[in-house]
Amino acid sequence: QVRLKESGPRLVQPSQTLSVTCTVSGFSVTSYHVSWVRQPPGKGLEWVGAIWKGGSTDYNSALKSRLSISRDTSKNQVFLKMNSLQTDDTGTYYCAKHETDYGYNDYFDYWGQGVMVTVSS
Amino acid sequence: EIVLTQSPTTTAASPGEKVTITCLASSSVSNMYWYQQKSGASPKLLIYSTSSLASGVPDRFSGSGSGTSYSLTINTMEAEDAATYYCQQWSSNPDTFGAGTKLELK
Repeated sequence: QVRLKESGPRLVQPSQTLSVTCTVSGFSVTSYHVSWVRQPPGKGLEWVGAIWKGGSTDYNSALKSRLSISRDTSKNQVFLKMNSLQTDDTGTYYCAKHETDYGYNDYFDYWGQGVMVTVSS
Repeated sequence: EIVLTQSPTTTAASPGEKVTITCLASSSVSNMYWYQQKSGASPKLLIYSTSSLASGVPDRFSGSGSGTSYSLTINTMEAEDAATYYCQQWSSNPDTFGAGTKLELK
């Protein structure tokens, strides 16, 4: 059974660093890519970045300078770190498992429950 | 970056009514994906590869389209279909989502 679960702080102060962990089960992070997607309150979905099954990463260009995505393959975990947080970084952060279709397009077949992060002093 | 424009932004339908949501891409994409998000829940995959139903999705849902124009159709609206629907593409980097269509029960 595929499961993803995010964990991390609910409150982060402005200018500080957000660290969120995605613990997966039912698949290996060395066999499937994993992305982070965020959603501000009442707004739409924004792709944050991905770690490919080979270990390389891709980031949303608007966030790239503040982002780091890494993993621990022994624990089947993926990590998101975002620094210099501002109030507009407030939102729910999801990790999602990739699937790839016959046209080599990626999409998200399983999502975690998300962690709501508030950036506030 | 490919921009996905969904319409309508908000709509309401009565039980049994047919609903169509459109997603227009700023450049041609090879496939479109659709997600359903109910209030307080994570997004759930509905349609992949433009027209394939994800596991467990009722067959009143269908997807179609090509190039820059795609659509999601609910053949007969049910109360449980009230949700926000998002289209998504990754034919071209970066991955992008539409802004969402909120579907309410009339």
